[in-house]
Amino acid sequence: AQSVTQPDIHITVSEGASLELRCNYSYGATPYLFWYVQSPGQGLQLLLKYFSGDTLVQGIKGFEAEFKRSQSSFNLRKPSVHWSDAAEYFCAVYGGATNKLIFGTGTLLAVQP
Amino acid sequence: DAGVIQSPRHEVTEMGQEVTLRCKPISGHNSLFWYRQTMMRGLELLIYFNNNVPIDDSGMPEDRFSAKMPNASFSTLKIQPSEPRDSAVYFCASRARVNYGYTFGSGTRLTVV
Repeated sequence: AQSVTQPDIHITVSEGASLELRCNYSYGATPYLFWYVQSPGQGLQLLLKYFSGDTLVQGIKGFEAEFKRSQSSFNLRKPSVHWSDAAEYFCAVYGGATNKLIFGTGTLLAVQP
Repeated sequence: DAGVIQSPRHEVTEMGQEVTLRCKPISGHNSLFWYRQTMMRGLELLIYFNNNVPIDDSGMPEDRFSAKMPNASFSTLKIQPSEPRDSAVYFCASRARVNYGYTFGSGTRLTVV
């Protein structure tokens, strides 16, 4: 069955520092992968998605993610974090057979001044 | 594009009362999803529709929950009777095609006292 693991429940970084949020997936075929961000009191906003092709995908707000099939990973990165990036981040995989988007448990990002 | 519109934003009700949550998907999107988010369980898919037809309601927790989509521009999620453990944020999302990410509404925060 398809699944997504986000091993880090909570991460704190300093403003201006680089960021990497981890995501591992389980899926038999080539996955459709997504990263969403949820600010407090808001819905989920799509940051970026991977379907095929170039394994490094660019998203909104300066985020990027790299698909590594050998590691079953789709980690989210940002070279310099801003205070406004504090939010919860969700990785998701589209399970084709189930026709569902399966979410990880999320990583809560705090940004220190 | 107004995005996915949910109403109400907040709902406080007494145990035993009927609660109806509403969702207007993005025009042209043919899939609609209802999610529930809690601290304990994270994001749970309750039910989804394709072309107004319920496809998978395996996530609906009990018979107290029901969902309808009478037309392409409107869906409801009803809880009758409501219980305190139903307190959560309920999100509606819509999707145009398989390889597009979901667009989420801002959610309805339900509190059952």
